[in-house]
Amino acid sequence: NAGVTQTPKFQVLKTGQSMTLQCAQDMNHNSMYWYRQDPGMGLRLIYYSASEGTTDKGEVPNGYNVSRLNKREFSLRLESAAPSQTSVYFCASSYSGGPSYNEQFFGPGTRLTVL
Amino acid sequence: GENVEQHPSTLSVQEGDSAVIKCTYSDSASNYFPWYKQELGKRPQLIIDIRSNVGEKKDQRIAVTLNKTAKHFSLHITETQPEDSAVYFCAASDYKLSFGAGTTVTVRA
Repeated sequence: NAGVTQTPKFQVLKTGQSMTLQCAQDMNHNSMYWYRQDPGMGLRLIYYSASEGTTDKGEVPNGYNVSRLNKREFSLRLESAAPSQTSVYFCASSYSGGPSYNEQFFGPGTRLTVL
Repeated sequence: GENVEQHPSTLSVQEGDSAVIKCTYSDSASNYFPWYKQELGKRPQLIIDIRSNVGEKKDQRIAVTLNKTAKHFSLHITETQPEDSAVYFCAASDYKLSFGAGTTVTVRA
């Protein structure tokens, strides 16, 4: 099992460009998440999908959109990138979320720089 | 929403000594408290977690304690080793995980 995979590993964008970060998991997990990690600020939740067909905003959703394509895949889109979106992005998945929380497994991360 | 504070932000210990990291949370509805370890350039990985119906949990050199009344929980690492050097994150959840800002632990040989 590959676990949680993310593409690309690195990306440099110019201000105003768009891109989609891809995430897939092969653990038959129901819940998937997107976080951003900035120095000194821990991990902040951008969007999550508690189950296939549902998505909800997290702590910092502005400037992002998500799509839960199927049970395995959860993508994050930046429509018009800004320098403030320079960060490391992690995708994660868990068997369940909400009140019956299980361990979240993280992908390897995408390092994004917006110039 | 949930607010998690973590202290200290950096911690330097001599090999063999103990390390303690403390976190507080704001939402009394939170019922799941994991701790993640992140090595440089790597992904966060769960090292231990505790649920609100348990006061303490231990796994070899790592232990976590939870005080629901005071809304704080702590990570204890005993007999620290160089491979314990990493960033440690606490988190709390009622429905979504909220992370602390992290503690950079350095174990001096």
